[in-house]
Amino acid sequence: DAKTTQPTSMDCAEGRAANLPCNHSTISGNEYVYWYRQIHSQGPQYIIHGLKNNETNEMASLIITEDRKSSTLILPHATLRDTAVYYCIGPGTSYGKLTFGQGTILTVHP
Amino acid sequence: EAEVAQSPRYKITEKSQAVAFWCDPISGHATLYWYRQILGQGPELLVQFQDESVVDDSQLPKDRFSAERLKGVDSTLKIQPAELGDSAMYLCASSARTSGSGTGELFFGEGSRLTVL
Repeated sequence: DAKTTQPTSMDCAEGRAANLPCNHSTISGNEYVYWYRQIHSQGPQYIIHGLKNNETNEMASLIITEDRKSSTLILPHATLRDTAVYYCIGPGTSYGKLTFGQGTILTVHP
Repeated sequence: EAEVAQSPRYKITEKSQAVAFWCDPISGHATLYWYRQILGQGPELLVQFQDESVVDDSQLPKDRFSAERLKGVDSTLKIQPAELGDSAMYLCASSARTSGSGTGELFFGEGSRLTVL
């Protein structure tokens, strides 16, 4: 029973920024938002997480709205290797329990 | 870079047979998870261990599935008897943190793909 809402699929041109939205309106005040991605036939890979503030690492940036009901994962310069299913996980993440939804299939094209 | 090891990578079995999957987490990681992923869906948690103790097995079909982590290091997931509906990818993950920020930062193995005929 997924507790996040993400678009089923998105396209992005290589070299452009990919902005993946997620709604997590039922998230509790102390629950973090996590993003993972899964490239075909591999296990999920952690990307980034955040609580209230925007976060950035070497892979991506995470923008969380002030009310914490939604967030956006930004891949600043998408490459073909970023083609994957991207999962946003929010509600229920206490104690490391991740509830995956259907995710967004991101296709990066030349 | 340390990785979560899983075996076998692929397993084909007939229904009613027994099957077992093995996982070796990243050294020092106290928390270990088994997830099941049916084709086209996101992973679903089956069982979570903290050291050798089961923390959450509420989604584990206990009539046919069992999991153990006897010494708090590697783990085995067993299915007996296997059913057609068990065909899926079985993913193992581990985590170093048990509280606060980062508890959801899991490291996944490449999975064991099971096909039940």
